[in-house]
Amino acid sequence: DGGITQSPKYLFRKEGQNVTLSCEQNLNHDAMYWYRQDPGQGLRLIYYSQIVNDFQKGDIAEGYSVSREKKESFPLTVTSAQKNPTAFYLCASSPLADRVNQPQHFGDGTRLSIL
Amino acid sequence: KQEVTQIPAALSVPEGENLVLNCSFTDSAIYNLQWFRQDPGKGLTSLLLIQSSQREQTSGRLNASLDKSSGRSTLYIAASQPGDSATYLCAVWTGNTGKLIFGQGTTLQVKP
Repeated sequence: DGGITQSPKYLFRKEGQNVTLSCEQNLNHDAMYWYRQDPGQGLRLIYYSQIVNDFQKGDIAEGYSVSREKKESFPLTVTSAQKNPTAFYLCASSPLADRVNQPQHFGDGTRLSIL
Repeated sequence: KQEVTQIPAALSVPEGENLVLNCSFTDSAIYNLQWFRQDPGKGLTSLLLIQSSQREQTSGRLNASLDKSSGRSTLYIAASQPGDSATYLCAVWTGNTGKLIFGQGTTLQVKP
């Protein structure tokens, strides 16, 4: 079955540490997205990528970094510069050519907490 | 700046009741509006997508309407069931940048 796989499901970060969240999709989608969700809040866009080797900042990119070396993969690094990283992180993808008429597909998320 | 608001934040109803969830947005220049379902600790599942030229979409017991001029959408759930208990989020697609702007969600509990 096609879908989006996020790992790990739970992640703990120590002070001053960078951590990387994995997102892999086998839907052959061009566009991929990273969102952050805080309790009782909607999703906020961190970064998105429409094509390999290209990505753009979303609304809350500070303290985060991404790469898009392969079409299937869009890892997110939460750096030590992100002072409040505790949140639920969701990865999504969509076909670029028909993105207006096709919904985004979401993974099951990674919950990041501070130790 | 586009803002999306969902009211109420939480809703509890007895099983079998018909219910309406509300979503409003401040800028009518949208490409589409999407309704998602989120179960606790899980990702989002797409329920309905209404293109800007459409007025409504239906899927089973769900019906979503869109009134762009007034900046409002409703999600109607008929004959609610305990399995419908979840958080429902609406989101609008703005411009060619591919950004979805989300509301805060309505958490629904359907009691047996």
